[in-house]
Amino acid sequence: SQQGEEDPQALSIQEGENATMNCSYKTSINNLQWYRQNSGRGLVHLILIRSNEREKHSGRLRVTLDTSKKSSSLLITASRAADTASYFCATDGSGTSYGKLTFGQGTILTVHP
Amino acid sequence: GAVVSQHPSRVICKSGTSVKIECRSLDFQATTMFWYRQFPKKSLMLMATSNEGSKATYEQGVEKDKFLINHASLTLSTLTVTSAHPEDSSFYICSAGGSTNSPLHFGNGTRLTVT
Repeated sequence: SQQGEEDPQALSIQEGENATMNCSYKTSINNLQWYRQNSGRGLVHLILIRSNEREKHSGRLRVTLDTSKKSSSLLITASRAADTASYFCATDGSGTSYGKLTFGQGTILTVHP
Repeated sequence: GAVVSQHPSRVICKSGTSVKIECRSLDFQATTMFWYRQFPKKSLMLMATSNEGSKATYEQGVEKDKFLINHASLTLSTLTVTSAHPEDSSFYICSAGGSTNSPLHFGNGTRLTVT
């Protein structure tokens, strides 16, 4: 069952601005992952953060994880029009086989040039 | 480059026919692959876990006789949508690889349209 919830559902910003997306989940996790999906395409893995990590960076991406609140955020700094896509968080639950990801509902990000 | 290949990328079929979708791991062996379904502007929902050499494990609510999964080799899993109906129209995505705390690789998905 889907346990992740993301907000906002849609986000529209101007190029150069930062974009923050949030994700909440319900059960214990091994890790939380963020993916990007361009319209009609497959998923591109962005960042994986383990349950014992609190923050992770990759280029213009910054992910935080708060296991006490069962929430995560993805920050994209200095956004570009090419960042326009849907972004999903996915949790790999502890006690389950690896790879059985539970996805959030996603945030549709639109970056206007 | 892609490490998981999915084919076809798009398929249109008539109601009542069956459609087979392939998922291949290109440079690694995958004893387990996963099949997801995605409705327009919605999230991905896990349908089943494909196990090499044994029966697939289906998630609750997924009809195993409707969505046949075969994982006959370590690099290939197939999903066959049998007797397709318009409500089966969807985006199907497979994934494979990774390990605990290591990300999976996803195929580019298959857009199925049943007319």
